[in-house]
Amino acid sequence: GAGVSQSPSNKVTEKGKDVELRCDPISGHTALYWYRQSLGQGLEFLIYFQGNSAPDKSGLPSDRFSAERTGGSVSTLTIQRTQQEDSAVYLCASSSQGSGLNEKLFFGSGTQLSVL
Amino acid sequence: AQKITQTQPGMFVQEKEAVTLDCTYDTSDPSYGLFWYKQPSSGEMIFLIYQGSYDQQNATEGRYSLNFQKARKSANLVISASQLGDSAMYFCAMRGPSGSARQLTFGSGTQLTVLP
Repeated sequence: GAGVSQSPSNKVTEKGKDVELRCDPISGHTALYWYRQSLGQGLEFLIYFQGNSAPDKSGLPSDRFSAERTGGSVSTLTIQRTQQEDSAVYLCASSSQGSGLNEKLFFGSGTQLSVL
Repeated sequence: AQKITQTQPGMFVQEKEAVTLDCTYDTSDPSYGLFWYKQPSSGEMIFLIYQGSYDQQNATEGRYSLNFQKARKSANLVISASQLGDSAMYFCAMRGPSGSARQLTFGSGTQLTVLP
């Protein structure tokens, strides 16, 4: 597709279960980001992938969160043993430059995660 | 550390009128980039406009302009001739070397409602 694609668009899970969120970036984009957006809040950086470099995991809130990017394209964000405070919209973004102050990010529509 | 402040949780504007959305920032870096993104109810963040800290002129993109006052550390977004489709959440964001070129720091957003 032309834009960043995320799936599922909505996910309802029970506390303690694991979830996987998928992001398919724009073709050719080397940089990929995950953000979390809680209700009424701004975006919280989670993790960044750039090409074959080691990911920047500095924003992951706990060791229950992990992400991988296979083949430099599709990325999966995994949340283990979900908690109610994990409920949020998880946004994925990609960019072509990977660095630079004027780097423009292209975002997906997000996955709304609800932990009951 | 970088910080973005948006003090207007909600704003209303009459269709066809101009509106200014406030954004102030704090950084010790001499070099940084400022962004505005729009998030309609569909959830996707859409890039609107960019201003570099060394840019001599205020950025403009169609009906969007950025009122950049470096000494005051403000980067207000001006939307001229508001349209109903402008109703959305608007986020100010900044990237600077200390936050790494890979991370964007977002404000908490302003919900703009355009009235017919």
